[in-house]
Amino acid sequence: AQSVTQLGSHVSVSEGALVLLRCNYSSSVPPYLFWYVQYPNQGLQLLLKYTTGATLVKGINGFEAEFKKSETSFHLTKPSAHMSDAAEYFCAVTFTGGGNKLTFGTGTQLKVEL
Amino acid sequence: DTGVSQDPRHKITKRGQNVTFRCDPISEHNRLYWYRQTLGQGPEFLTYFQNEAQLEKSRLLSDRFSAERPKGSFSTLEIQRTEQGDSAMYLCASSLQDSIYGYTFGSGTRLTVV
Repeated sequence: AQSVTQLGSHVSVSEGALVLLRCNYSSSVPPYLFWYVQYPNQGLQLLLKYTTGATLVKGINGFEAEFKKSETSFHLTKPSAHMSDAAEYFCAVTFTGGGNKLTFGTGTQLKVEL
Repeated sequence: DTGVSQDPRHKITKRGQNVTFRCDPISEHNRLYWYRQTLGQGPEFLTYFQNEAQLEKSRLLSDRFSAERPKGSFSTLEIQRTEQGDSAMYLCASSLQDSIYGYTFGSGTRLTVV
């Protein structure tokens, strides 16, 4: 069985500061990992994904994440936060042959302050 | 193609009534997924289709829930005899078969049972 743990249900940063959202996963087979962003009353938008290959993946809006197998982590970062980054962020995991069914974490609400 | 469409966006219903939601996926996507998201939680898998075949159902999908995708295009999710615990955002997503590159989500249908 797979699972995802997102540490910190709420994260607050100042505009221009580093954003770090944490995600740890559990999977008995090689995982595929995703970060999604959700704005209020909207669906989820894919930010970035790790499947195979390079462990540092870059996504949209300046976000990136690094897959660290030894730490079972896939933390999301952005060097400089913008007010428009305020949203809820979800980490998710699946694996090949799993029907592409995603298992999501409980989400991290990012607040960006002036 | 305008992405994944869900209708209605919001639905308020009285306890005990039946409701039906519709999802129109991206036309070339043959996989379609339904997820449920309650407040403060990540989306939870309900069921998915490959073309018109329903390949997997979660144990979350009680007997009161039924989903169809009759012609392998749009899908409907029906909830019979709604309960207050059914109040949630119902998300539809689509993908290409064996796509490990993430889904495209619709904006969701928010159900409130009063």
